[in-house]
Amino acid sequence: EVQVVESGGDLVKSGESLRLSCVGSGFTFTSYSMHWVRQAPGKGLEWVSSISSSSSYIFYADSVKGRFTISRDNAKNSLYLQMNSLRAEDTAIYYCVRSFDYWGRGTLVTVSS
Amino acid sequence: QAVVAQEPSLTVSPGGTVTLTCGSSTGDVSTGHYPAWFQQKPGQAPTTLISETSNKHSRTPARFSGSLLGGTAALTLSGAQPEDEADYYCLLLHSGARVFGGGTKLTVL
Repeated sequence: EVQVVESGGDLVKSGESLRLSCVGSGFTFTSYSMHWVRQAPGKGLEWVSSISSSSSYIFYADSVKGRFTISRDNAKNSLYLQMNSLRAEDTAIYYCVRSFDYWGRGTLVTVSS
Repeated sequence: QAVVAQEPSLTVSPGGTVTLTCGSSTGDVSTGHYPAWFQQKPGQAPTTLISETSNKHSRTPARFSGSLLGGTAALTLSGAQPEDEADYYCLLLHSGARVFGGGTKLTVL
């Protein structure tokens, strides 16, 4: 069974940093692009960042460019999102998504101002 | 980045048919935008219905179909069921970046 499981969400203060992790199982992790998508409370989905299977291609939403860094460790079947200079508007559930076909349950990031 | 437009809300009768659309501020939507559709029910993570315009996920009910329609991507639900009441989001690829639409709240009533 394909699974992606996020972790690392927490309550932090504005300006602080946080690292999210996502572990994939039930599939060949090295064969798939991976993505982070977030959803602020009561709002719609917002694409955050994408990384290709070999990390050759990386893209960011304008809203996080320069503050967030996506990476992956294929040996550990893991995806990461390093979030720096966090703002109140980064408060959201962060979803890890495999090739936009399988979604994790999400991890909550709350940034207090 | 581009803006992706969806109907904010739609209502369909049980057993009825409804089409949700997804348009781009940059022009006509094509297969090159790799349109995808997702369903989200309250308190749950999204699930994928359609990828690459019309490819159904293994768990997508047969009553859902994806297409291109009049310059937009379209999701058609034929034979709506009460359990189809949910928020629906489309996603388009724009030069490496992805853009979600604002979502359509579908009511089955």
